[in-house]
Amino acid sequence: EAQVTQNPRYLITVTGKKLTVTCSQNMNHEYMSWYRQDPGLGLRQIYYSMNVEVTDKGDVPEGYKVSRKEKRNFPLILESPSPNQTSLYFCASRAGGMSTEAFFGQGTRLTVV
Amino acid sequence: QKEVEQNSGPLSVPEGAIASLNCTYSDRGSQSFFWYRQYSGKSPELIMFIYSNGDKEDGRFTAQLNKASQYVSLLIRDSQPSDSATYLCAVRMDSSYKLIFGSGTRLLVRP
Repeated sequence: EAQVTQNPRYLITVTGKKLTVTCSQNMNHEYMSWYRQDPGLGLRQIYYSMNVEVTDKGDVPEGYKVSRKEKRNFPLILESPSPNQTSLYFCASRAGGMSTEAFFGQGTRLTVV
Repeated sequence: QKEVEQNSGPLSVPEGAIASLNCTYSDRGSQSFFWYRQYSGKSPELIMFIYSNGDKEDGRFTAQLNKASQYVSLLIRDSQPSDSATYLCAVRMDSSYKLIFGSGTRLLVRP
């Protein structure tokens, strides 16, 4: 089954404690993205990757890091989480060409206290 | 001005009616337009995409694009209670990977 898998689904952490949200896709897609979703603000892109070792900032990259060492994996790293990073996070992947992010992960609800 | 604007709703329609969802965008260079449906607590799922001016139909869904007026709309015919969800409009320039989402319109279909 084609899917994008995020872990964990829910996470409560404390300010400053480094965390990683994993994302893995099994469709051999080149493009992967991370979004955060906040009430009234819609989905905002944090980082994206066009292929292995190729990443770039989206609209709201501050406080986040990513890496793309393998095609299937695109982890999101919060080196020093703060309460304003409390949000719902989605990973997405797509193939190249005119298509778009047709596949989203299940989401990770992060709370930073 | 937001790059992609949608009325937050809720838009309430009776079962069997046509629901009309609208989206406007600010970048005239935008080339690709998408509608996603998102149920509460779930991830977005792509339901329609359109690249050319005019209408595109898929089952009960019709996407309409007017690049001159910079709007894209989604019509849902014979609305069902199961259509109750938030509908996200997304826009992308082909020269950029970035996909810009509107904040979504919540649709409620009353039985």
